[in-house]
Amino acid sequence: EVQLVESGGGLVQPGGSLRLSCAASGFTLNNYQVIWVRQAPGKGLEWISYISSSGNTIHYADSVRGRFTVSRDHAINSVYLQMSSLRAEDTAVYYCVRDLDTLIQGLWEDAFDIWGQGTTVTVSS
Amino acid sequence: AIQMTQSPSSLSASVGDRVTITCRASQDIRNDLGWFQQKPGKAPKLLIYAASNLQGGVPSRFSGSGSGTDFSLTISSLQPEDSATYYCLQDYSYPFTFGQGTRLEIK
Repeated sequence: EVQLVESGGGLVQPGGSLRLSCAASGFTLNNYQVIWVRQAPGKGLEWISYISSSGNTIHYADSVRGRFTVSRDHAINSVYLQMSSLRAEDTAVYYCVRDLDTLIQGLWEDAFDIWGQGTTVTVSS
Repeated sequence: AIQMTQSPSSLSASVGDRVTITCRASQDIRNDLGWFQQKPGKAPKLLIYAASNLQGGVPSRFSGSGSGTDFSLTISSLQPEDSATYYCLQDYSYPFTFGQGTRLEIK
């Protein structure tokens, strides 16, 4: 079965750190771009990060830039989100998402087709 | 950042109805827009990518249209299992941005 599985969520105090992992089964994650999306309790979806398949191109939302770091380890087919200086407003379910580049009429288009089940991060004292 | 304005924020419709949800971008995003369905406690699911391309396995009653700044998701004949929250996402430029979501209730 093709799927993504996040892990590493939990309860952390304000100012603390946490590292989320995203692993794939049924396909080679190394070949794909990945984004991270989060959802605060009762709220909508928020895109927070992108990493290219090579790991050489990275983007962040303003809300996490300077505090979160996305990376990947090709040796073990995984993507990570290192979160530091955590705040109460970072409390959310975090999803990793596969970005499937699809060629349509000569142009590469994004299709965010595989989502993990999500991992919950709670920042509280 | 590109703002995505989604409407309505909620709607209620009956089985068999035709339903349309719209997203407006604050600037031209070509056709770089996806639509997602999310049910309570579940991860979002891709319905439409590149504005009008139906994701494999998604029922054909779902369709997407639009380009530039105005986009729509249409459900041609609403089914009970379509009760969910729907989101658009622009992937034209970083930071990617989601619409606020549309909660769809079945009467």
